[in-house]
Amino acid sequence: AQKVTQAQTEISVVEKEDVTLDCVYETRDTTYYLFWYKQPPSGELVFLIRRNSFDEQNEISGRYSWNFQKSTSSFNFTITASQVVDSAVYFCALSEVTTGANSKLTFGKGITLSVRP
Amino acid sequence: DAGVTQSPTHLIKTRGQQVTLRCSPKSGHDTVSWYQQALGQGPQFIFQYYEEEERQRGNFPDRFSGHQFPNYSSELNVNALLLGDSALYLCASSLFGTSGQETQYFGPGTRLLVL
Repeated sequence: AQKVTQAQTEISVVEKEDVTLDCVYETRDTTYYLFWYKQPPSGELVFLIRRNSFDEQNEISGRYSWNFQKSTSSFNFTITASQVVDSAVYFCALSEVTTGANSKLTFGKGITLSVRP
Repeated sequence: DAGVTQSPTHLIKTRGQQVTLRCSPKSGHDTVSWYQQALGQGPQFIFQYYEEEERQRGNFPDRFSGHQFPNYSSELNVNALLLGDSALYLCASSLFGTSGQETQYFGPGTRLLVL
């Protein structure tokens, strides 16, 4: 069975600090996909990134960067120079290849990030 | 380009009642998935519809049922509501594929409160 663990529940930082959100996953499959979503107070989940299990290259998008390490089954997310608008709940999710259907997402419990001015 | 829309935004019901939630997928998408998100938890997969058929189902009782229409929109029905059904119900749409890489895009959700 697949599982996603986000051990941090709440993180509070001051604006302009860097912050890393941790994600550890479990799966028996060799092919899988990892995702990060952001959920602002409005409730809608906003897609941030997707990585496949064969691509361990780190990715950077503006102030966001992701570190994928298969050896430790981790897919961590770093926000550089955090801003108040980054305050939200962040979810890591895992999908596996299935037959006859889109793969369901298995989510972690989420990390609440508060960025103070 | 319209995103995923859901209705209603909020709903209050009493135990034992039945409820229907609606979802319209993002333009160009043909697959709809439903998730339940309890307070302080991550979303839990309920089921997924493609070609008007239920393709996958999570660990939810038969009280949870769904439907997909020819225009790809979908409904989630919950019968015999329990207090524990109070949650944010999220609809996600995607383009069908079996590679696992299909990104699901979420709607704003329907907040259901059962009294």
